[in-house]
Amino acid sequence: EVQLVQTGGDLIQPGGSLRLSCAASGFTVGSNYMHWVRQAPGKGLEWVSLIYSGGGTYYADSVKGRFTISRDNSKNTLYLQMNSLRAEDTAVYFCAVGFGSGYSDYWGQGTLVTVSS
Amino acid sequence: DIQMTQSPSSLSASVGDRVTITCRASQGITNYLAWYQQKPGKVPKLLIYAASTLQSGVPSRFSGSGSGTDFTLTISSLQPEDVATYYCQKYNGAPWTFGQGTKVEIK
Repeated sequence: EVQLVQTGGDLIQPGGSLRLSCAASGFTVGSNYMHWVRQAPGKGLEWVSLIYSGGGTYYADSVKGRFTISRDNSKNTLYLQMNSLRAEDTAVYFCAVGFGSGYSDYWGQGTLVTVSS
Repeated sequence: DIQMTQSPSSLSASVGDRVTITCRASQGITNYLAWYQQKPGKVPKLLIYAASTLQSGVPSRFSGSGSGTDFTLTISSLQPEDVATYYCQKYNGAPWTFGQGTKVEIK
């Protein structure tokens, strides 16, 4: 059974850093498309970042240079390192997996990141 | 970057009605389009990929069509459990942009 279990959301001050984790089971993180998607309160879905099976990474312009996506194949876990956080980064962050293509077959439960002083 | 525009932003229909949501890409994306359903307070769920392929387990009242720049999600007979916000997403390359969403309610 495919499962994505997320941890790491918190209340953080502007300018701070936070790392989100997404532990996978039922498939191999390193062999699939892994996404981060966020949803600000009351708003729509916003794609944030992707890591390919080959290790290539992509970012939305809104987070480029501040966020880093990575994975630990030995732990079968996806990460999102978020630095220089801003109020507008406040959102529920979802990890998601795409088997064989760029759409997302399965999603994690989401974790709330609140950036506020 | 390619922009994805959905219409309408919201709609209200009666149980049993046929509902159509459109998604337009600012440039051609062949059939690299997915549709998701997000019920209130829940995680998004994949409904359709490759513009018209129904994900396993999704009711057959949902269907997708289109290619290039214009796409459609149709619910053939709206049910109460279909109350949700629906999103399209392009996946032909970075960025994997979502449409702004269409909120579907029961009249």
